This record gives sequence, C-alpha cells and structure tokens, in this order.
Amino acid sequence: EIQLQESGPGLVKPSQSLSLTCSVTGYTITSGYDWSWIRKFPGNKMEWMGYISYSGSTNYNPSLKSRISITRDTSKNQFFLQLNSVTTEDTATYYCASLGYWGQGVMVTVSS
Amino acid sequence: DVVMTQTPPSLSVAIGQSVSISCKSSQSLVYSDGKTYLHWLLQSPGQSPKLLIYQVSNLGSGVPDRFSGTGSQKDFTLKISRVEAEDLGVYYCVQATHFPWTFGGGTKLELK
Repeated sequence: EIQLQESGPGLVKPSQSLSLTCSVTGYTITSGYDWSWIRKFPGNKMEWMGYISYSGSTNYNPSLKSRISITRDTSKNQFFLQLNSVTTEDTATYYCASLGYWGQGVMVTVSS
Repeated sequence: DVVMTQTPPSLSVAIGQSVSISCKSSQSLVYSDGKTYLHWLLQSPGQSPKLLIYQVSNLGSGVPDRFSGTGSQKDFTLKISRVEAEDLGVYYCVQATHFPWTFGGGTKLELK
C-alpha cells in the first residue's frame, strides 16, 4: 500500500522559508507517477503548487514564480518542498500527493 | 490558467437521494494524447482528499459504483446515486491536462 507522510514545522515567520518533507512508503518514487505538493487555504480553495516526476523533472505553478523548489532524495524515497519569502497568504494545509495517494496534510501558519 | 467552475457550491441532501455536481472548464480538457485528465476528489471531514474518479469516468480504487462521472471537452458531471452518510464532505474537480493544474471551488455535500 502506498502511503505518504508530510513533516515539517507548523509555524514559519514572514519572509522566511517554508520547508516540508514527504516520505513515501510502499512505492519507489523513481518507478512512476508525478509527486506533487498541493495546498488548501482556509475555506475550500485548493492550489496545485508543482511536482517532481519519477524521472526527476519538475513543473511549477507560475503563480509561485521563483519562490518554489521541489527536490528529492531517492535514497530515502523522499521529496521536498521549499517555498521562499513566505507571507501570511501562504498559511494553508500542505499535502503531498500523486492524486491517487495523499498524505494526511500538515497545517502551516505564517505568523510573526 | 484553466478556470474550473464547479456548481453548486453546496448541496443539502437526504440519505438515499441522488445528486449531481457540475464542473465546467474554460478550455477543452482533451490532451494531445486523446485522453481527458479531469478527475474528481472527495475530502471527508477531518481527512485528506481521496481520488474518486479519474479521467472523467474511471472509478478510483475501492470507490463504490454509486459514483459515476460523465462528460467531455469542457463540461463534466459527477453523479452520486443513493447518497450514504459516508459520502458527506467537499467534492472537487481537478484538471491535469494543462499547466498549471487547477481545481474547482468545491461542492460541500451536507445532510438535510
């Protein structure tokens, strides 16, 4: 069974970087699928942030411009999100997912 | 970006009732490979999203056949026959044909 688990700080200060890890078990991330970061804002709005493919290529939402980076560590079967220069508008629940499989989500608050 | 217009924003239903949710896109969702990457998700209260239907009409793993998806090009519908209590939550359509992937605004299904 494929399982995903996010980890990372729940509180980040404005202007700092948000860093999250997604640990995948039950499947090797280099075998297939696109591995995404998706966030849900207070209310119902969902936003796809970007993905790293099984081959290592990345695709990002242009709305995040140059603030986002998604990388991976294949030896640990993990992929990572870094979002720079955060503001209060980045407060959301962050999910790692491959659409068919989702982590439980981590709530991140941006506040001083 | 492709705009996904999902209606209605909320539904109040009785157990056993059948309901439909509409999702309209601002562009055709047919990809160059001929497939249509329009999917439906359900986020039950307190849980992470779950894939219900992928590529318009294919049931996700373990999804009961009370759920069905139809549509083409820019106009899609999710139908739930004989709503059960476990079906309550927020439904999203999401398109993964065009970058960036985009979500509908969600439909909250509640008990009458």
